[in-house]
This record gives sequence, C-alpha cells and structure tokens, in this order.
Amino acid sequence: ETGVTQSPTHLIKTRGQQVTLRCSSQSGHNTVSWYQQALGQGPQFIFQYYREEENGRGNFPPRFSGLQFPNYSSELNVNALELDDSALYLCASSRDYAGTGELFFGEGSRLTVL
Amino acid sequence: GNSVTQMEGPVTLSEEAFLTINCTYTATGYPSLFWYVQYPGEGLQLLLKATKADDKGSNKGFEATYRKETTSFHLEKGSVQVSDSAVYFCALVIQGAQKLVFGQGTRLTINP
Repeated sequence: ETGVTQSPTHLIKTRGQQVTLRCSSQSGHNTVSWYQQALGQGPQFIFQYYREEENGRGNFPPRFSGLQFPNYSSELNVNALELDDSALYLCASSRDYAGTGELFFGEGSRLTVL
Repeated sequence: GNSVTQMEGPVTLSEEAFLTINCTYTATGYPSLFWYVQYPGEGLQLLLKATKADDKGSNKGFEATYRKETTSFHLEKGSVQVSDSAVYFCALVIQGAQKLVFGQGTRLTINP
C-alpha cells in the first residue's frame, strides 16, 4: 500500500510569486485535505477535496486554491506569495469526508518565501 | 469556536520515566479526540483516538482517556523510550465536519 507522497519537499520563492504543491493520496483514499503548519505551531486546515470538489475550507484567503484529479491526487496553489506563507504544507488523505479524523499525512512540502 | 490547548514544551525526560502531556479542548458539539505524533523526518501519524466520553484510546504503550467533565484528553505512558522522542499533537474533530483542529504541539525528548 503506497502512502501519501508530496512534492517538492523543499522550495524557495520570492514575495509575489506563485507556487504549486502536489500530493498523491494513499491507495484507496478518495478525500484529500491540505494543512499549513507554521514553525512551532500545529497544522491549520486549509481545505478538503472529495471526488474533485472542494467540500470544506478553513480561514484562508482565495489566493489559496486547489484541485483534485480523477485519480484523487491533488494540487495546492498559492498566488501572490507573502512572507507569512512560509510554512510546512501538509497533505492528508482519508477514505471518507465525514470527519472521522483518521488522516494519513505526507511528509510535507516546506515553503520559504523571501 | 473549537480549540485545543496543549502543555507547553519542550519536555525532556530520562528513559523509563513516566510521561504526561496535558491537553484540554473547547468544542461546540460532540468532538472525537486524537493524539498525532510527528517523528523526526516523518509525516504526522495517528497515535490513538477516542470518540466519546470515558473512552480510552491506547497504542504503543500510550493511553489517553476522554474526560468530558474536565474537557481533557491527557496523554500518558508509564515508561518512555528514546524512540518516543517526537512532537505530539492533540486534536479534535466535530462529527460531520471536515477539519481536524490541532493544538500547538509538544516536543518530547527522551535521554538515555
């Protein structure tokens, strides 16, 4: 059983640029969630996708957007990067969208905005 | 709103010591409670969970009991090992909601 994989693992961008992060969900999982983890903090929910539709969103501005593909892989896009966007971005997959809380996380993509 | 407050870290213990990491929560509705662990260089992993009051979650020698009267879910282990060194996150989810709400994490270091 293949786990959740994320790419890239590290990247550096400058303020105002755009970034795309990618995630392959665990085999058999149809739901993908994205979280932002600032240094020394717990993960914060960005949004969730179920069967290619966004079905839940946290307190993040519209410049954070996402996609889910028919194979349940996913992308997180962030436009107009700000310094505060520097964080570890975590992708998590699950078998359902109903909030059981049992998520399988990737190792994350660490974004640094200069 | 829904929130989780964890014991401030970092916590440093000697091997075979008793561990407690405190976690309290505020929630509207009936939350399920979780402990996730982040080992160095790895992704977050579910350690244990409890879905209703008085349930006890357990795994790998760790235990936590869902206490509705004190809105707490403290993590305990009787004898820690060096391999338990990691960051521990308490979290909740409201039934039917999509998002996990995490505490700020507690870094645990076990010295031999």
